[in-house]
Amino acid sequence: DAKTTQPNSMESNEEEPVHLPCNHSTISGTDYIHWYRQLPSQGPEYVIHGLTSNVNNRMASLAIAEDRKSSTLILHRATLRDAAVYYCILRDKNSGGSNYKLTFGKGTLLTVNP
Amino acid sequence: DSGVTQTPKHLITATGQRVTLRCSPRSGDLSVYWYQQSLDQGLQFLIQYYNGEERAKGNILERFSAQQFPDLHSELNLSSLELGDSALYFCASSPYDLAIRGSYNEQFFGPGTRLTVL
Repeated sequence: DAKTTQPNSMESNEEEPVHLPCNHSTISGTDYIHWYRQLPSQGPEYVIHGLTSNVNNRMASLAIAEDRKSSTLILHRATLRDAAVYYCILRDKNSGGSNYKLTFGKGTLLTVNP
Repeated sequence: DSGVTQTPKHLITATGQRVTLRCSPRSGDLSVYWYQQSLDQGLQFLIQYYNGEERAKGNILERFSAQQFPDLHSELNLSSLELGDSALYFCASSPYDLAIRGSYNEQFFGPGTRLTVL
């Protein structure tokens, strides 16, 4: 399985920026880096994705290292509603077949303090 | 609201029984994915269908099966249930097949079905 490594948990204060790191040293040249998050008692939801360049959307920014072996999800001003498990995911070749899957690891549990 | 619906929300049953979980994808999405989330295993990919055909299999037990119907809704069948099958089961949908290289294919997740096996 394509591997990503994230810290188990991180803590932040409300209104402050949060930088969530992810290592993906085995990433292939054509694979996107995906970030999803899972709020308590909900299904995962898409946050952002990128290939090589840094990306911004209304939810977050994604900073991708030049060698693509790591990336950082940036929440510019954390709110209490951002408390969730954040997953950094690579598209992963499915064993025994030609298709792909998204392999969710354990993710990073983000706690936001008021 | 992701646009993906799952029924039922909760299901309580006994060991040895069989249940069917249902998923309706977002309008226009051709791919449906099933995931299992338990406390100790995290979110595990089970199986994917694209336009009625099985496209990828993950850690799906032989006791489990799925299908996607012509109207694109999908059902996950779980049989000979064991205590360890108790989990949240999520369905997700996306417009395309994940195997399409070079394109992104965001997955939209439903609210899940919580299965409790007693």
